[in-house]
Amino acid sequence: SQQGEEDPQALSIQEGENATMNCSYKTSINNLQWYRQNSGRGLVHLILIRSNEREKHSGRLRVTLDTSKKSSSLLITASRAADTASYFCATALNTGFQKLVFGTGTRLLVSP
Amino acid sequence: SQTIHQWPATLVQPVGSPLSLECTVEGTSNPNLYWYRQAAGRGLQLLFYSVGIGQISSEVPQNLSASRPQDRQFILSSKKLLLSDSGFYLCAWGGQGKTQPQHFGDGTRLSIL
Repeated sequence: SQQGEEDPQALSIQEGENATMNCSYKTSINNLQWYRQNSGRGLVHLILIRSNEREKHSGRLRVTLDTSKKSSSLLITASRAADTASYFCATALNTGFQKLVFGTGTRLLVSP
Repeated sequence: SQTIHQWPATLVQPVGSPLSLECTVEGTSNPNLYWYRQAAGRGLQLLFYSVGIGQISSEVPQNLSASRPQDRQFILSSKKLLLSDSGFYLCAWGGQGKTQPQHFGDGTRLSIL
């Protein structure tokens, strides 16, 4: 079964607004990563947050991690039409080899 | 810089035919390599991963197999395709160590008729 579950499944906003996506997971993790996927393309890595970190920023992206609640959020500020894509969280478990377990994704539509 | 190439981009195959999808990585050595399948509107399911030449680990029982004949080459195969093998197949590479992102190819859209 999938480790991560994103919420909401779909999000529609206007350009300039902020978009927040949430991810919940079930077991102890080493790190959590967020990826973006444009329609019909491969995934692009956005940001990685380690289990001992609580917040991380990269440009217009802000990621938080709450290991006590086993949840993470991705905030995209001042969204643009080019941000339209599906966003996935992926967890790396503490077991020996780095395997990522992906959630089901949030489809973000940013309208001009 | 590192690049990953995956081909073909789309493939239409009849049921019972063989399959070979290839993935190559440039600009890095001894990468971890991964094959994923993505069903429509869903997340990614890890099929196989490899930590070195000739080393393959399978995540789920299925009609597919993988091989790594060279350090930066990863091949996904099937002897006889099933309708259920349809999907979007993605190859990825990652560095050694736990806190490493994965880098994906552009995927192969496989349709079985």
